[in-house]
Amino acid sequence: GNSVTQMEGPVTLSEEAFLTINCTYTATGYPSLFWYVQYPGEGLQLLLKATKADDKGSNKGFEATYRKETTSFHLEKGSVQVSDSAVYFCALSEVIQGAQKLVFGQGTRLTINP
Amino acid sequence: DSGVTQTPKHLITATGQRVTLRCSPRSGDLSVYWYQQSLDQGLQFLIQYYNGEERAKGNILERFSAQQFPDLHSELNLSSLELGDSALYFCASSVDTLWAGANVLTFGAGSRLTVL
Repeated sequence: GNSVTQMEGPVTLSEEAFLTINCTYTATGYPSLFWYVQYPGEGLQLLLKATKADDKGSNKGFEATYRKETTSFHLEKGSVQVSDSAVYFCALSEVIQGAQKLVFGQGTRLTINP
Repeated sequence: DSGVTQTPKHLITATGQRVTLRCSPRSGDLSVYWYQQSLDQGLQFLIQYYNGEERAKGNILERFSAQQFPDLHSELNLSSLELGDSALYFCASSVDTLWAGANVLTFGAGSRLTVL
């Protein structure tokens, strides 16, 4: 079946550092791709999405580009802040028999130190 | 506040017991999804309902069941609880525009279940 593999955490960076969290996927067809973020004690929130190859999703300084040739959707941010500390989940959307399902990666815990 | 309400936030119970988790979707959303988040399994899709009908099933155990009511709220019933059922259970909702191919899910804050 379809699957998502994320870079293992935890990741610890200093404030203003450059961030990359790797995400690759295995899928039949052309799924939509998502990054969700989970802040401590909260549910998951959509961070950004891309629905087709070469699309770039962006939000709050984060970006990810849908790369079909490398089946990747890496998350990047040029200068992280302490408030970016959270768990980040890469996900793909698959539609089976008319029903949509999100398949998530394992999550990457990010800690930003001041 | 995401608009998806889950109750209770925390629940502690014993093995062999039965619990019910409740979810009210965001206003206007017709689909409800249930996910289980545990340390060893990550986020696992359990089941989806659309406008009162079961639409998709994932890795849901036979001891678990769910339903969506006419007012669109949903309940997840977990019975004969085992230690391994301890997890965070998330509900999510969406408008469910399947034809768009990129349905965005809005998640609740979760119900943390501890089985002792």
